[in-house]
Amino acid sequence: RKEVEQDPGPFNVPEGATVAFNCTYSNSASQSFFWYRQDCRKEPKLLMSVYSSGNEDGRFTAQLNRASQYISLLIRDSKLSDSATYLCVVNDRGSTLGRLYFGRGTQLTVWP
Amino acid sequence: NAGVTQTPKFQVLKTGQSMTLQCAQDMNHEYMSWYRQDPGMGLRLIHYSVGAGITDQGEVPNGYNVSRSTTEDFPLRLLSAAPSQTSVYFCASSPQGRRPPTYEQYFGPGTRLTVT
Repeated sequence: RKEVEQDPGPFNVPEGATVAFNCTYSNSASQSFFWYRQDCRKEPKLLMSVYSSGNEDGRFTAQLNRASQYISLLIRDSKLSDSATYLCVVNDRGSTLGRLYFGRGTQLTVWP
Repeated sequence: NAGVTQTPKFQVLKTGQSMTLQCAQDMNHEYMSWYRQDPGMGLRLIHYSVGAGITDQGEVPNGYNVSRSTTEDFPLRLLSAAPSQTSVYFCASSPQGRRPPTYEQYFGPGTRLTVT
């Protein structure tokens, strides 16, 4: 079973729409959670960390449900520039390596 | 700061050839890592280092070697290239010290490698 599972999409939404991505992780000992964004043929970049209490950064809201081992990202008022692949990332401090595990990514296209 | 730099950007190898992918960072980060990204597979960790002189294997280390003689540089060596190593390779660094990283990883622009 993969450590981090994401719906690969693609999600195609019009400008102004609200879109939500979900992600599940397998290791209950996981400690840190992130959403990264990757533009086509570019490197991943941190979008936001995900905190237990949930957090918001402008149009982006991230939620964590430890009981269900579930992470979400909500994008409100989508812009054309939001078109990218969104990677769910989990830091597994329960293992001896404590490395980052990346989901396969969810592709978003926002159309005018 | 240049951040994380990688060279070359593109490379074509023949099966059996060896080469070194270069990675350097100028942010004085202790933690550095190499990932490969394949379509439908996501990013997979190859090797990582928590500081100069210390390296360890990730998820897919076979066919690759690394060394970390300085804080700045973390080269990845392909010993005998195989078509299965065709991929995009990303180097990343993190300001986290000698423990698992919990903070942001900064990625280089990637090296696109094709093995024929």
